[in-house]
Amino acid sequence: EAGVVQSPRYKIIEKKQPVAFWCNPISGHNTLYWYRQNLGQGPELLIRYENEEAVDDSQLPKDRFSAERLKGVDSTLKIQPAELGDSAVYLCASSPTDRGSDEQYFGPGTRLTVT
Amino acid sequence: QKEVEQDPGPLSVPEGAIVSLNCTYSNSAFQYFMWYRQYSRKGPELLMYTYSSGNKEDGRFTAQVDKSSKYISLFIRDSQPSDSATYLCAVLKAAGNKLTFGGGTRVLVKP
Repeated sequence: EAGVVQSPRYKIIEKKQPVAFWCNPISGHNTLYWYRQNLGQGPELLIRYENEEAVDDSQLPKDRFSAERLKGVDSTLKIQPAELGDSAVYLCASSPTDRGSDEQYFGPGTRLTVT
Repeated sequence: QKEVEQDPGPLSVPEGAIVSLNCTYSNSAFQYFMWYRQYSRKGPELLMYTYSSGNKEDGRFTAQVDKSSKYISLFIRDSQPSDSATYLCAVLKAAGNKLTFGGGTRVLVKP
């Protein structure tokens, strides 16, 4: 079974530029999460989707961050414009909560550097 | 105060030793407890998953949860250099909710 796929793996941009990250969850997983992990810290949730509906986006900085999950499968996370403090690893995770499982499986992440 | 506290380490042990990791949490509403392993430049990988208090064993790994003291532990027996990684504890209130992570403990197993 293929794991969570993310791209790109690395991205370097200048501040004020836009950037987008893509995630393909494990097949059949209806719940998708985007986390941000700063250096030396644990991941922190940005947004959670149940199918195509964003059910928890309370931690998403909506002035510059946006996300979508069209058709309830792939998801894109966008930052516009990027700031220096956005440098972090952006992790996507998925879980099959409709089967009663709480286990979240993570992708390799996208390491963003804003210069 | 953070909801989940974890000593950042690093924790350095010789090969074959027992690695002991722990976390404390502040909210008694947390019901699910997990340990993730994260290698450098990789995503977290689920190691152990427990519900409520008690012990769970899987090969060389044992997870313990003491809800009365809000304390969770992970033990790694017969540690190997390949166990060198950052170990993250995580807690969850209910299915499908967000995971709340500790900051991670970096472990180094020396051959």
